[in-house]
Amino acid sequence: DADVTQTPRNRITKTGKRIMLECSQTKGHDRMYWYRQDPGLGLRLIYYSFDVKDINKGEISDGYSVSRQAQAKFSLSLESAIPNQTALYFCATSDLGENTDTQYFGPGTRLTVL
Amino acid sequence: QKEVEQNSGPLSVPEGAIASLNCTYSDRVSQSFFWYRQYSGKSPELIMSIYSNGDKEDGRFTAQLNKASQYVSLLIRDSQPSDSATYLCAVGMGYGGATNKLIFGTGTLLAVQP
Repeated sequence: DADVTQTPRNRITKTGKRIMLECSQTKGHDRMYWYRQDPGLGLRLIYYSFDVKDINKGEISDGYSVSRQAQAKFSLSLESAIPNQTALYFCATSDLGENTDTQYFGPGTRLTVL
Repeated sequence: QKEVEQNSGPLSVPEGAIASLNCTYSDRVSQSFFWYRQYSGKSPELIMSIYSNGDKEDGRFTAQLNKASQYVSLLIRDSQPSDSATYLCAVGMGYGGATNKLIFGTGTLLAVQP
């Protein structure tokens, strides 16, 4: 089984709908991250969390919210989806240990907002 | 100035040649540097991490770091068509010597011609 899983893998929705993307990990890592990837813009950090009680905004948090339900689960919500939120979304994890910086990515969720 | 800069490419090399990928970064206090490979539509996967000035070799891959010049590179020897992918440079950013997050470049597309 994959260490970092994301659901759904693909989603098509309409403008104004509320969407939740979920991320689960079995790596036992404390730190979790949400990124979006757009052609030509690379990976951009939306939110990150260092433990269940710690949530931090990334560079592009507007229009998004997150919930860290447990050490293993980190969800990303779009309260009212808009077309420019169409992108590939990745969850990542890293460990609080010797190699704290190395991030491991989930398979991604392709979101299309019509 | 972008925090992490890469030439978008495409960089085209013949099979068996050495591919040289370059990255510059703006934060002088950064301590950790990574190269990820990403196939189209897939998630980034870690190839190399480097923390000290000099070279680090792993199989056909060599990462080179020059903190004074704020430059990190990846060399791929004996390039294979399966190496064709986008290569993402990532730099650790943080405070007090700890890394809180990674900043990614936009990636260089490598095409290895059979």
